[in-house]
Amino acid sequence: EVQLLESGGGLVQPGGSLRLSCAASGFTFSSDAMSWVRQAPGKGLQWVSAITGSGDSTHYADSVKGRFTISRDNSKNTLFLQMNSLRDEDTALYYCAKEHQSHQLLGGMGVWGQGTTVTVSS
Amino acid sequence: QSALTQPASVSGSPGQSIAISCTGTSSDVGGYDYVSWYQHHPGKAPKLMIYDVSNRPSGVSDRFSGTKSGNTASLTISGLQAEDEADYYCGSYTSRTTYVFGTGTKVTVL
Repeated sequence: EVQLLESGGGLVQPGGSLRLSCAASGFTFSSDAMSWVRQAPGKGLQWVSAITGSGDSTHYADSVKGRFTISRDNSKNTLFLQMNSLRDEDTALYYCAKEHQSHQLLGGMGVWGQGTTVTVSS
Repeated sequence: QSALTQPASVSGSPGQSIAISCTGTSSDVGGYDYVSWYQHHPGKAPKLMIYDVSNRPSGVSDRFSGTKSGNTASLTISGLQAEDEADYYCGSYTSRTTYVFGTGTKVTVL
């Protein structure tokens, strides 16, 4: 069974940093692009970032570019999101998601984790 | 990147059909056949219902179907059931190699 388990969320002050992790199992991790998607309280889904299966190409939403860094460790089947210079508006439930089709990027997210909550507040 | 435009809410009675629109631009919905639809029950992980405009993943009911015309994609739910009550989001690949979601539609089964 394909599973994604996020961790690393928590309460952080504005300007602070946090690193999210997503442990993957049940599929060939290195074959699939991965994304982070967030949902702020009472708001809709917002795509944050994506990375190819090999990790050689990364992509970001304008709202996080220069502050967030996506990466992956294919030897440990784990996806990361390093979040720096956090702002109040980054408060959200953060999901990691697996591309539906292998070797495709941003064609659709077929499996999602349950999410980890990030709260930015002083 | 602005969110794709969806109606805030759509409702229907059990057994009826409803359609949800998703309007973008030629740089996203209109430019690529990489439109997806997601069902999101509060407190649960979103679920992929349609990918590549009109394809259903394994296990998704054939009551769900997708189409696209120009810059607007649509999701149709036929034979509406109580369990279909949820939030629905469209999503699309963009020309900037990013991804954009729709504003979301709350489906209510009367």
